[in-house]
Amino acid sequence: GNSVTQMEGPVTLSEEAFLTINCTYTATGYPSLFWYVQYPGEGLQLLLKATKADDKGSNKGFEATYRKETTSFHLEKGSVQVSDSAVYFCALSDLRGGGNKLTFGTGTQLKVEL
Amino acid sequence: NAGVTQTPKFRVLKTGQSMTLLCAQDMNHEYMYWYRQDPGMGLRLIHYSVGEGTTAKGEVPDGYNVSRLKKQNFLLGLESAAPSQTSVYFCASSYSSGGGDMNTEAFFGQGTRLTVV
Repeated sequence: GNSVTQMEGPVTLSEEAFLTINCTYTATGYPSLFWYVQYPGEGLQLLLKATKADDKGSNKGFEATYRKETTSFHLEKGSVQVSDSAVYFCALSDLRGGGNKLTFGTGTQLKVEL
Repeated sequence: NAGVTQTPKFRVLKTGQSMTLLCAQDMNHEYMYWYRQDPGMGLRLIHYSVGEGTTAKGEVPDGYNVSRLKKQNFLLGLESAAPSQTSVYFCASSYSSGGGDMNTEAFFGQGTRLTVV
């Protein structure tokens, strides 16, 4: 079955530091890949997505590239801000049977300090 | 624009009690989902619906039932609550692309924190 593995947190960085959160997946076929973000006390929000190999998703300074050869979708940001503190989830889609059902990783908590 | 609204936001149940969680969306989305979020396990799909009057099982459906009598509402029921159902429950919805990119964005509610004692 489908599965997503992402790095354990929490990750603590200073403001303006470089961020990488690793994500690898196992899936049948060629799923689309997503990063969702959860701010404290809120539901998840889509951060970015990529639908095929070598696609790069980007949003709010975050980027991730769909690497089929390494089955990875690592999240990066060149300079983090305190406002980026949140939990980040990597996910892949399953379109079989209708809808866009998501398989999530365990989430990585990011804390950015001044 | 409210998006996806879940009620209640918090609930404490005794083992064996029943309850229903309500999810309402005002975006006219075809698809709706219920997930549970547990520490160290991410979110897991409980049940989902691809349209009014239809439901299907997800990864962890045991102990739950759902109904989608109206397009905008998706109800999650616990007939006899167990401590293992202590979790945060999230409802989500997404739209049908009508043949385009099927990987449409899921919109999530703020969650319901349920404790079963």
